Amino acid sequence: QKEVEQDPGPLSVPEGAIVSLNCTYSNSAFQYFMWYRQYSRKGPELLMYTYSSGNKEDGRFTAQVDKSSKYISLFIRDSQPSDSATYLCAMILTTDSWGKLQFGAGTQVVVTP
Amino acid sequence: EPEVTQTPSHQVTQMGQEVILRCVPISNHLYFYWYRQILGQKVEFLVSFYNNEISEKSEIFDDQFSVERPDGSNFTLKIRSTKLEDSAMYFCASSGGTGNTEAFFGQGTRLTVV
Repeated sequence: QKEVEQDPGPLSVPEGAIVSLNCTYSNSAFQYFMWYRQYSRKGPELLMYTYSSGNKEDGRFTAQVDKSSKYISLFIRDSQPSDSATYLCAMILTTDSWGKLQFGAGTQVVVTP
Repeated sequence: EPEVTQTPSHQVTQMGQEVILRCVPISNHLYFYWYRQILGQKVEFLVSFYNNEISEKSEIFDDQFSVERPDGSNFTLKIRSTKLEDSAMYFCASSGGTGNTEAFFGQGTRLTVV
């Protein structure tokens, strides 16, 4: 069983729609959860990180963590064509290992005008 | 805005040759990492480096790989004898300043082994 599972998509939505992304994980020891955005042939760019179960909001982005279900989500409201990218979930065990990220496969998102 | 810089952006090398990938981390960061992403696959952790030594490495990071911080600004990844399966995007990342914080990634070096 893979440690972090993420549907690769592609996920195509019309401009203005809500984009819903999710990951599941198997290791209950993961404590910190991140979402990265990666444009084609570029490096991952950190969007949000969360620790506790619940919601965290930043502008059009909402990250949700459910540790009991080992399930995390990212919602993008009012999606724009510029949001077209691959979205990677990532997680770490502790803050002593910030750089040792365990990534999901990434979900490709296409927002059509 | 400070950023992680990687050079070259694309490197083509013959199988069996040595390559050195270079990175300039964010200046006040203390923790440095290399990741790779084989085309169509997930981003994978290779190695972390702190206080001039490797702090953690994955099973991918075998004896063919080495890392070095030769001066106060550069962080390098050397692959001694490249194989076809080493072809991938290699990302450098750095984190930490006064405390350990989230990792910031460079734009990557595309390594093609022919």
